[in-house]
Amino acid sequence: AQTVTQSQPEMSVQEAETVTLSCTYDTSESDYYLFWYKQPPSRQMILVIRQEAYKQQNATENRFSVNFQKAAKSFSLKISDSQLGDAAMYFCAYRRNAGGTSYGKLTFGQGTILTVHP
Amino acid sequence: DTGVSQDPRHKITKRGQNVTFRCDPISEHNRLYWYRQTLGQGPEFLTYFQNEAQLEKSRLLSDRFSAERPKGSFSTLEIQRTEQGDSAMYLCASSLESSGANVLTFGAGSRLTVL
Repeated sequence: AQTVTQSQPEMSVQEAETVTLSCTYDTSESDYYLFWYKQPPSRQMILVIRQEAYKQQNATENRFSVNFQKAAKSFSLKISDSQLGDAAMYFCAYRRNAGGTSYGKLTFGQGTILTVHP
Repeated sequence: DTGVSQDPRHKITKRGQNVTFRCDPISEHNRLYWYRQTLGQGPEFLTYFQNEAQLEKSRLLSDRFSAERPKGSFSTLEIQRTEQGDSAMYLCASSLESSGANVLTFGAGSRLTVL
């Protein structure tokens, strides 16, 4: 079974600074997607960024970028120029990319609470 | 489109009572998922539908839990004879099968408190 581990229960950053959230995963599959989701307090979870395992290039979405190390099974999220609105719980998630009934099912990590200080 | 809607947002019930949650997905999405999230933890998969067919159920979904999606549109999740351990946030998500990464769009969740 796939597992996703986020070893940082809490992180903090000063506004305008850069922070990196860590995620490791375990799988025997070679074809999969990795995601970072953001869950603000009492609000719905939204997708931040995604990475397909077959793509060598790290994904980037504006201030958000990932460092995907497939051999090490590591998938960290870097937030540049942090803003107060970035404060939230961040979840790393895995999804296998094969067909069949597990298609679409996400396995989540435990989450990292990010605090942004003004 | 207003996204994925869930109702009620918060339900408080006494142990032993039955509760039902409703999820209205994004209208063109053919896949619908239920997850459970306890405080401070990541969501755990419960079940998923493709159109009206329930294709997968987690072992977390005991016999007291039942989910339906009768016409391939909205879905309901019923918990019978609730227990205190059922207290959690129940998240619904939907996706479009043909959307490449099959990105899930989540609702705001239904929080259940069992007294």
